[in-house]
Amino acid sequence: GESVGLHLPTLSVQEGDNSIINCAYSNSASDYFIWYKQESGKGPQFIIDIRSNMDKRQGQRVTVLLNKTVKHLSLQIAATQPGDSAVYFCAENHHNNDMRFGAGTRLTVKP
Amino acid sequence: DVKVTQSSRYLVKRTGEKVFLECVQDMDHENMFWYRQDPGLGLRLIYFSYDVKMKEKGDIPEGYSVSREKKERFSLILESASTNQTSMYLCASMVYRDNYGYTFGSGTRLTVV
Repeated sequence: GESVGLHLPTLSVQEGDNSIINCAYSNSASDYFIWYKQESGKGPQFIIDIRSNMDKRQGQRVTVLLNKTVKHLSLQIAATQPGDSAVYFCAENHHNNDMRFGAGTRLTVKP
Repeated sequence: DVKVTQSSRYLVKRTGEKVFLECVQDMDHENMFWYRQDPGLGLRLIYFSYDVKMKEKGDIPEGYSVSREKKERFSLILESASTNQTSMYLCASMVYRDNYGYTFGSGTRLTVV
């Protein structure tokens, strides 16, 4: 079946560096994508979203890039901080209101 | 802020027991969801509900059922718990306005022994 997946299960970066977390999706009909952050012991929290009619969207220190040609999504975090350490999930709008999630990438920020 | 509250943080149940996981949201959202989260598999959708008394199967409904008698409450039921249902269970709610962003509860870690 079609699914959302991630290229790397873990990512370790130095504090202050930029982080890039990648996601591949296979459902070409998906028109909406979200990145979530999940800290230890908590549920996932919404970070940023993007619709398929856009290729880039920026938030506070985060940018999401969408490449529909290769069905790839990325999350860029600028000046990564220790508080950014978490598991990051991409999710795609499957159809109607239910989302499908990738396996997640664990980001570790080294001081 | 929307709050999604899951009644238990940790549960330990025996094989064969009937297990109820409760989820309550306080913002009148129509849509509610149950996921299970396992290492390396991410979040997998078990069941969801668009409205009171409505339910739809997700990707892995086998061994589970749900109940939505009131808009604010969505219950996940394990009819006869098995060890392969040991997992983290996450409830979420959502109403479409500007986006489809979900609000998640903190999760219930269920261990079946």
